[in-house]
Amino acid sequence: SQTIHQWPATLVQPVGSPLSLECTVEGTSNPNLYWYRQAAGRGLQLLFYSVGIGQISSEVPQNLSASRPQDRQFILSSKKLLLSDSGFYLCAWSSGALKSYTFGSGTRLTVV
Amino acid sequence: GENVEQHPSTLSVQEGDSAVIKCTYSDSASNYFPWYKQELGKGPQLIIDIRSNVGEKKDQRIAVTLNKTAKHFSLHITETQPEDSAVYFCAPRGNNNDMRFGAGTRLTVKP
Repeated sequence: SQTIHQWPATLVQPVGSPLSLECTVEGTSNPNLYWYRQAAGRGLQLLFYSVGIGQISSEVPQNLSASRPQDRQFILSSKKLLLSDSGFYLCAWSSGALKSYTFGSGTRLTVV
Repeated sequence: GENVEQHPSTLSVQEGDSAVIKCTYSDSASNYFPWYKQELGKGPQLIIDIRSNVGEKKDQRIAVTLNKTAKHFSLHITETQPEDSAVYFCAPRGNNNDMRFGAGTRLTVKP
């Protein structure tokens, strides 16, 4: 069966520090991968999605970047965090355009 | 891109009552209509979905109805229980690779 792993679960980082969140999927190949951010009590904002290795689509210009160095690995990064980067970050995968999403357990990032 | 709206944004019901959440969308090419449930501190989980060739689908206490002409679909929960309390998201989708979510509906079921 397919599983998705996301870590860390919580993270407290100072302003200006770098960020690296990792997401990996097991049990499937060539998944579509996604990063979402959710502010407290708010909806899900699509940040990046990828349909293949090295292919990244960015939805919102911002302080973040994403990379997909391997088929089942998706990384969210920042060189210098801002206070506004705080939020709940969710990784998800899907097997195709008309398929449901499976979400990771999320990373709660607090920038102080 | 797809414009998705959910109503209501919050919903409070008494245990045992029914709850209905409506999702409207703008893209007439949408043909996949899922609903997700997000419990506190967790990622959303798919609870039910429907495709455009079907008008209604039921799974025990939950059901989804679709009106493609009017471009809306609804989540129905009957005999609500306290564990149904969560945030529910719709995410209509067409033949593209990204999924846009509604703003969410916070459902509270009072015992």
